[in-house]
Amino acid sequence: DVKVTQSSRYLVKRTGEKVFLECVQDMDHENMFWYRQDPGLGLRLIYFSYDVKMKEKGDIPEGYSVSREKKERFSLILESASTNQTSMYLCASSLVPGTGTQSSYNEQFFGPGTRLTVL
Amino acid sequence: SQELEQSPQSLIVQEGKNLTINCTSSKTLYGLYWYKQKYGEGLIFLMMLQKGGEEKSHEKITAKLDEKKQQSSLHITASQPSHAGIYLCGADTFTGGGNKLTFGTGTQLKVEL
Repeated sequence: DVKVTQSSRYLVKRTGEKVFLECVQDMDHENMFWYRQDPGLGLRLIYFSYDVKMKEKGDIPEGYSVSREKKERFSLILESASTNQTSMYLCASSLVPGTGTQSSYNEQFFGPGTRLTVL
Repeated sequence: SQELEQSPQSLIVQEGKNLTINCTSSKTLYGLYWYKQKYGEGLIFLMMLQKGGEEKSHEKITAKLDEKKQQSSLHITASQPSHAGIYLCGADTFTGGGNKLTFGTGTQLKVEL
């Protein structure tokens, strides 16, 4: 089974701190994604990466940066945490459609999430 | 950009009752994914629909994609407490650098005994 793991389930940080959220997948997926989930707003894409060292902005990249030095690891960085970044953060990965056994599927596999509170 | 609207936003049903959740897209759907999320956890893939008129079932959950490919419905028969959670639909969104999913805002389902 595909496994996507996130470094922490719960995290509490102070305003202004630099925060690192780590995500690791074990199925050699090319694509990796970071979302945040807030009540009433659903999942919103922050950044995604379709290859090592490649990144693309999602819908809400402001205040965030990412790093992908190795294929299996995708990090989300909050340079200076603010209270409005308190949220549930979800990482996901997927194959390139048309490869492997997924045929044309673009299914994303999700980690368990990190609930971040910024005080 | 593509937008997905889910209805209802929340639903409370009695155990044993049937229910339907809808997902309507502002653009043609080329791939529609249904996920389930238990509170405070990650998303679990349920099923994916691609072709107009397609219907798939898994246990007591059936999903359909309408012929015009702009709406999908998720139907649960004889609901159980294990069905409780948040249901999200996601649609394929193609970009130059990779493939993304756009998600709806979710439907929260509670099943009462």
